[in-house]
Amino acid sequence: AQSVTQLGSHVSVSEGALVLLRCNYSSSVPPYLFWYVQYPNQGLQLLLKYTTGATLVKGINGFEAEFKKSETSFHLTKPSAHMSDAAEYFCAVSDKTSGTYKYIFGTGTRLKVLA
Amino acid sequence: SAVISQKPSRDICQRGTSLTIQCQVDSQVTMMFWYRQQPGQSLTLIATANQGSEATYESGFVIDKFPISRPNLTFSTLTVSNMSPEDSSIYLCSVEVGGRPFFGQGTRLTVV
Repeated sequence: AQSVTQLGSHVSVSEGALVLLRCNYSSSVPPYLFWYVQYPNQGLQLLLKYTTGATLVKGINGFEAEFKKSETSFHLTKPSAHMSDAAEYFCAVSDKTSGTYKYIFGTGTRLKVLA
Repeated sequence: SAVISQKPSRDICQRGTSLTIQCQVDSQVTMMFWYRQQPGQSLTLIATANQGSEATYESGFVIDKFPISRPNLTFSTLTVSNMSPEDSSIYLCSVEVGGRPFFGQGTRLTVV
């Protein structure tokens, strides 16, 4: 079965500093990988996804992630944090079983941006 | 893309009662998914609902506790039965379109 591990349930960065949120996956087949953001009391919003092709994926709000097969990682980065980036971030992997896709979510990383 | 509407957006319920959550999608989809997000935790898949067949439940979830209906390709309901405080969670409806999941805004349930 596929799984996702997010290292660090809480990450704090200063405004303007690099954001790095870690995600490692386990999969026996080429995975589809996703990053979602959840603002307080709101639903999930897709930041970016990797399916095939270019391993560096650019998403919304200046975020990007790089698929590294050798490291089974899909870390999320942003060069300069904004106060508005404070939210919960979820990494997810697709799990195709019995012909249907299921999505496995990590436990989430809460990003705090310090002024 | 897909636009998903969930009702109610939130509710406070007495223990022992049941709540039915509705999910409406703006396009026809084969599968609809129901997730639970417990306070401070990630999303856990409850079940997958196909139109015209019984829902498929994940380990730890049973039909008697979480009955699901899927009467057509744009609508589904999830019922949380005989509620206890441990059922206090956000319940999310999801569909897959274009190779990625879309989510409703969720139903925030508090059981007292």
